[in-house]
Amino acid sequence: TAGITQAPTSQILAAGRSMTLRCTQDMRHNAMYWYRQDLGLGLRLIHYSNTAGTTGKGEVPDGYSVSRANTDDFPLTLASAVPSQTSVYFCASSDSEEGELFFGEGSRLTVL
Amino acid sequence: GQNIDQPTEMTATEGAIVQINCTYQTSGFNGLFWYQQHAGEAPTFLSYNVLDGLEEKGRFSSFLSRSKGYSYLLLKELQMKDSASYLCAVKDSNYQLIWGAGTKLIIKP
Repeated sequence: TAGITQAPTSQILAAGRSMTLRCTQDMRHNAMYWYRQDLGLGLRLIHYSNTAGTTGKGEVPDGYSVSRANTDDFPLTLASAVPSQTSVYFCASSDSEEGELFFGEGSRLTVL
Repeated sequence: GQNIDQPTEMTATEGAIVQINCTYQTSGFNGLFWYQQHAGEAPTFLSYNVLDGLEEKGRFSSFLSRSKGYSYLLLKELQMKDSASYLCAVKDSNYQLIWGAGTKLIIKP
């Protein structure tokens, strides 16, 4: 089925360790996004990429980095995880600035 | 600052109608979206409004008033599968999406 694939689905990570959440889309969308979702809060944008080769910071970028080497892949890296990064992470894509977002199934990360 | 307000939780009865309100204060406006999110799943797109008025899509309708900074999502003929969270989001002048915290809708038989 076409869409966005995230991996891993869930992960428990020791504080201080690094982790990369993978995101791949096959819709040839230009724009891709990483959000985190925490109970009682709206989705918060971590980083985004409007097109391959470019990235930008969202609302909560600290402690996270991204790269966009090609159209399909948009990995999110936590260099040194902290417990406050425990969350559900969603990758999303859209075909334009005006377009709707298509979401991956999410990655549940627990940092202990 | 930018803000999206929607009720935290609502309860309705199967077969009935429910209206979920959303008010917003954003830097500019480039459209309002409603998404549905079942527990443990990803959000999925429901509707998009950029002009004032009502957009109808089957059992779901969405209304927008830009002058009032207000939208609602209307769900008719409620089914048990409509139990989910409903997320309101607005694209600001930079085309960044600002999200509400979501309204958890509980459907009772």
